[in-house]
Amino acid sequence: SYEVTQPPSVSVSPGQTASITCSGDKLGGEYVSWYQQKPGQSPVMVIYQDSKRPSGIPERFSGSNSGDTATLTISGTQAMDEADYYCQAWDSSSVVFGGGTKLTVL
Amino acid sequence: QVQLVESGGGVVQPGKSLGLSCAASGFTFNNYAMYWVRQAPGKGLEWVAVISYDGRNKYYADSVKGRSTVSRDNSKKTLYLQVNSLRGEDTAVYYCAKTANPLVDVHGWIDSWGQGTLVTVSS
Repeated sequence: SYEVTQPPSVSVSPGQTASITCSGDKLGGEYVSWYQQKPGQSPVMVIYQDSKRPSGIPERFSGSNSGDTATLTISGTQAMDEADYYCQAWDSSSVVFGGGTKLTVL
Repeated sequence: QVQLVESGGGVVQPGKSLGLSCAASGFTFNNYAMYWVRQAPGKGLEWVAVISYDGRNKYYADSVKGRSTVSRDNSKKTLYLQVNSLRGEDTAVYYCAKTANPLVDVHGWIDSWGQGTLVTVSS
């Protein structure tokens, strides 16, 4: 079965840029979505169709997808961005989630 | 405003069955594919099942295939998940979720999630 891989953790200083990757074979040929989940809360979509932001999501969130890697980028990271982030793609008729990345804002 | 409210969770013995429901409101339910996604304690998100907007197409994760059934009643705006032969590894918060893409069979992305219902499989 198809798998996508994320780093378990990423650390960033406040105000700096955080990049979270999601890797899978030819992932660039599929749309990738990203979800943010804070402790005790349900996930929230922050990026869809590789790079589009839903309404209400700050402009500091951006995404890209090419080759085997999709990337979620958070520019000017704030303390409120500390959360788990999951990428999601489709493999035929199956939904695939990455294992999640814990973003720590130090 | 989209609302998804799951119910039916609880403590269940291994080998037993459990039925979950998700009551939807705030959108045209019969236009959207719906998902079940679960999250074991301290773990990541795991897709469980998806059903097309008209209920004709259903797909399952390998971990539940053959012992689970996803269904929907568009007249009641309700999504269902039946899981049989429950195992310890089925212990998780089960989320109901909605696709962002109207009248698309199943492929899309999730724009709304319920609060989840906890299922604990234990003797």
